[in-house]
Amino acid sequence: NAGVTQTPKFQVLKTGQSMTLQCAQDMNHNSMYWYRQDPGMGLRLIYYSASEGTTDKGEVPNGYNVSRLNKREFSLRLESAAPSQTSVYFCASSQSFLTGSDEQYFGPGTRLTVT
Amino acid sequence: AQSVAQPEDQVNVAEGNPLTVKCTYSVSGNPYLFWYVQYPNRGLQFLLKYITGDNLVKGSYGFEAEFNKSQTSFHLKKPSALVSDSALYFCAVRDKSLGGFKTIFGAGTRLFVKA
Repeated sequence: NAGVTQTPKFQVLKTGQSMTLQCAQDMNHNSMYWYRQDPGMGLRLIYYSASEGTTDKGEVPNGYNVSRLNKREFSLRLESAAPSQTSVYFCASSQSFLTGSDEQYFGPGTRLTVT
Repeated sequence: AQSVAQPEDQVNVAEGNPLTVKCTYSVSGNPYLFWYVQYPNRGLQFLLKYITGDNLVKGSYGFEAEFNKSQTSFHLKKPSALVSDSALYFCAVRDKSLGGFKTIFGAGTRLFVKA
């Protein structure tokens, strides 16, 4: 039982390049999330998927797109990377976004630097 | 505005002494409250949560938290700190007023436990 896995662990991009961050969970959770973590700002929600087949914007969605490929996998795409997207990205999952009382389980993170 | 405040960027405590990490929130309704811990180069791990009932909730690794509705606070506590407790701690709130059950995270408090 690996929990939530993310690839890659590290990535350096040049401004304007694109990339996709991959996330998978093996806990049969319905809901998945993408956050970014910046110093002194906590975690901010980029996009979430309440259930398979649905995705919605979070607090900071500009410059990102997501795909809920199936119940297990939720990817985050940067179409044209900008230095402001330098951050640590975390994927998370929970039993149900609609329940509210469920805790979230986090992946190990992807450290992205855009030069 | 809806928010979560962790007023201390850093808390220093000697091993064996009690520790408190503070959290206050400003969210309408009756939110669910969480504490997560982040060790270096790792994702966040769930520690404990308050849903309803007893104001004192117990969690992993000997941690507990006290919910105070009148003060809108949810402070994390441990009777006797360990060096291994040194980490970054995040308070989080979930409530329907946030748009579904989105989560707001505090900025984090770094705990240093000195031997």
